[in-house]
Amino acid sequence: EAAVTQSPRSKVAVTGGKVTLSCHQTNNHDYMYWYRQDTGHGLRLIHYSYVADSTEKGDIPDGYKASRPSQENFSLILELASLSQTAVYFCASKDREDTEVFFGKGTRLTVV
Amino acid sequence: GDQVEQSPSALSLHEGTGSALRCNFTTTMRAVQWFRKNSRGSLINLFYLASGTKENGRLKSAFDSKERYSTLHIRDAQLEDSGTYFCAAEEDMLSGSFNKLTFGAGTRLAVCP
Repeated sequence: EAAVTQSPRSKVAVTGGKVTLSCHQTNNHDYMYWYRQDTGHGLRLIHYSYVADSTEKGDIPDGYKASRPSQENFSLILELASLSQTAVYFCASKDREDTEVFFGKGTRLTVV
Repeated sequence: GDQVEQSPSALSLHEGTGSALRCNFTTTMRAVQWFRKNSRGSLINLFYLASGTKENGRLKSAFDSKERYSTLHIRDAQLEDSGTYFCAAEEDMLSGSFNKLTFGAGTRLAVCP
């Protein structure tokens, strides 16, 4: 089964600080995604990528940047963390159009 | 508006009983996935369907693209089934969307002794 590993699993960040969330997948999937989940809501797409060295904006990209330096790695960057970015972040990957999406275990980010 | 409407938002079941969760879609979807978020916060893949039905143990899911809905049936509920269940649908490529998943708001299931 596809393995998607996120790090760190949890983090406390200071308002205005820089935060980088990392995601690594080992199955050579083309597509990678970053979602955030807030209590009582479904997951919302922040950024995604369908090939190395290219990223695209999702539905809620403001305040976030993404980086896909290789097929396996996809990072989410908060240059200036804000309180409203406290959430659980999920990374996901999938192979091509007709396959299911595999999620990492999530990163709980608390901005104080 | 929301493309994926999930219901109910919360559900309480006694052990051994069953129920169904439902997601309605406002546009044509090509596939649906069902997930369970466990007590540790991890998302567990339950089903991926492009059509028809699938069954796995006490869970069964159906997806009707034409009628724009999907269901997840739980039978003989156990305590460990408690958690939040999400459906997520992938838009039909003809509608011009990248293959991203749009999530429902989730169903919080509590199974009681």
